[in-house]
Formats: sequence, C-alpha cells, structure tokens
Amino acid sequence: GENVEQHPSTLSVQEGDSAVIKCTYSDSASNYFPWYKQELGKRPQLIIDIRSNVGEKKDQRIAVTLNKTAKHFSLHITETQPEDSAVYFCAARYSSASKIIFGSGTRLSIRP
Amino acid sequence: EAGVAQSPRYKIIEKRQSVAFWCNPISGHATLYWYQQILGQGPKLLIQFQNNGVVDDSQLPKDRFSAERLKGVDSTLKIQPAKLEDSAVYLCASKEADTQYFGPGTRLTVL
Repeated sequence: GENVEQHPSTLSVQEGDSAVIKCTYSDSASNYFPWYKQELGKRPQLIIDIRSNVGEKKDQRIAVTLNKTAKHFSLHITETQPEDSAVYFCAARYSSASKIIFGSGTRLSIRP
Repeated sequence: EAGVAQSPRYKIIEKRQSVAFWCNPISGHATLYWYQQILGQGPKLLIQFQNNGVVDDSQLPKDRFSAERLKGVDSTLKIQPAKLEDSAVYLCASKEADTQYFGPGTRLTVL
C-alpha cells in the first residue's frame, strides 16, 4: 500500500553536531520527495525536496539523499543550531493521482 | 504573494454538532488539498481537488465528512456530525508545480 515510514520519532543532538532523519517508501514509481519543517503551532514549511532523477541535493546546512534501489531517502542537517528544533516530516509523491503521503514525523531537539 | 488562507483558526464544538472550514488557495493554484493532522502525527490526506473536480478522496470518511470546491477556487470542508476523534488541525494546501503551500490550519476541538 501507500506508506512512508520515518525514523527516529525523536532525536536530540548537541548544538553544532549533525542530525540525520531517515524515511522509506513503498511505491517504486514515486518520483518526488519533499521534506517539511513544522514548528510548534505553525504550518508545515517546505525546506528541501528531491526528485527521483537526482541522488543528492544540498542547500546550505541541509542535504537530502535518495537511494531509489532501496527506496530510502534521508535528511541531513549539519552544524545544528537552536532554531533547527522542530518536527520534521518526510513525504513521497505516489504516482496514483499524484498524492503526497507524509511520514509520522521526527521531533528534533537541539541541546545547547 | 498572499498565502493560503483558512478560517476559522480555532473551533470548539460538542460531539454530534456540525462544523465547516473554509480555504482560499493561492491565486492560480489548480490543485487543492485538505489534510487532517492529529496531535503528534503527520498530515493525513483527506481529499485532493484539481480545479473543481475530486482527484482523490479515498481517505475521506464520507459518512460524516464532505468537501466541495464549486468554482475551482475556494473550498469548504464539513463534518456532520462530529466525533471526539475528529479533534485535530485541518490543513488546507495548494500546489504549484511540485511544491505544496500550507495554510495556517484550523484547530478543531470536539468535546
């Protein structure tokens, strides 16, 4: 079925260290994978996305990698800062009706 | 550029009552989504519109939920009658190319 699994559910890292969040998807035809950041009480905001014809994409301290064979994709945040604390959601676009399915979220906390 | 607008921002009702939410997408966006986000979970797609037509409503509890987008712009989502488990944030989003833009959401509390 259409499913996106996300791990871990919570993650605490020291300020300045790196954080990695991993997701897997079930539909091999999925071709678009966005990542959203949601701060407490606010709407999800797109932070980075990747398409299936690309293996890696970077935007300053954020990078996303995609392994199509294994149906895995990951978010990497380097040099973490207090403002990175939020809930992060991965998502995958399924080919049927182009709908986007979200993972269950990772609550990232940055320790000072 | 104006973002996705939603109203009301908050709503408290008793179970078995009815409630309606309104969404105005970003101008020119043909695709509109309604999501339900229960506390601590990811957004769950309820319904997807392309202009005024329904593309996907496979996860919409049709015995109590309904949605429409009559003129292909604004949309309303209705719950009748509400249950306790409907307490959640209802997010509207519209799409340009691949990118979804979310509205601020309506926080529904069912007592």
